Amino acid sequence: QVQLVESGGGLVKPGGSLRLSCAASGFTFSDYYMSWIRQAPGKGLEWVSYISSSGSTRNYADSVKGRFTISRDNARNSLNLQVSSLRAEDTAVYYCAREGYGFGGMDVWGQGTTVTVSS
Amino acid sequence: QSALTQPASVSGSPGQSITISCTGTSSDVGGYNYVSWYQQHPGKAPKLMIYEVSNRPSGVSNRFSGSKSGNTASLSISGLQAEDEADYYCSSYTSSSFYVFGTGTKVTVL
Repeated sequence: QVQLVESGGGLVKPGGSLRLSCAASGFTFSDYYMSWIRQAPGKGLEWVSYISSSGSTRNYADSVKGRFTISRDNARNSLNLQVSSLRAEDTAVYYCAREGYGFGGMDVWGQGTTVTVSS
Repeated sequence: QSALTQPASVSGSPGQSITISCTGTSSDVGGYNYVSWYQQHPGKAPKLMIYEVSNRPSGVSNRFSGSKSGNTASLSISGLQAEDEADYYCSSYTSSSFYVFGTGTKVTVL
């Protein structure tokens, strides 16, 4: 079945780094744009970044630009988010999602991976 | 990158209809037919309910419908059921080539 599974979250000190991954299965990964979205504890959804199907186009929210890097490996059906220079406000559940309807909607979501930034 | 504006909460009795608004600007909601709506139950991942303003993905109940007028999009739920109690978020693509989500609305079934 169509599925996204995130991994790589954890507890990290301010200024530290992590690499989040999202494993895709059940669909042709290379056909789709993909996004990362996060949700701080008790807060709403915040879009973080997207990457085009080929990987040639990437965009980031201002809050993470210059600190986070999105990438993909279509041969391995894998989406990644390198998160660096982490701050307390980056603490959140990070979801990967498939942009199944172009820019019109994200139709498949993973279960999320939790990043906690604390000293 | 200001969030789209949604009411914090909306409530209704079983069987009733409710509507959630989502207000943006001409640079997002008003400028594109790329508005989507998501349902999120506590501790769960969001689920797509409406895409491209008014389209339902396969498997989503026809009790859910979407519309847009100017800079405001709306999600309507008819025949409210206990299982509809959840948080709902709108989202729009923007002229800056990124997405913005709404502030979120908690739907309570009385």
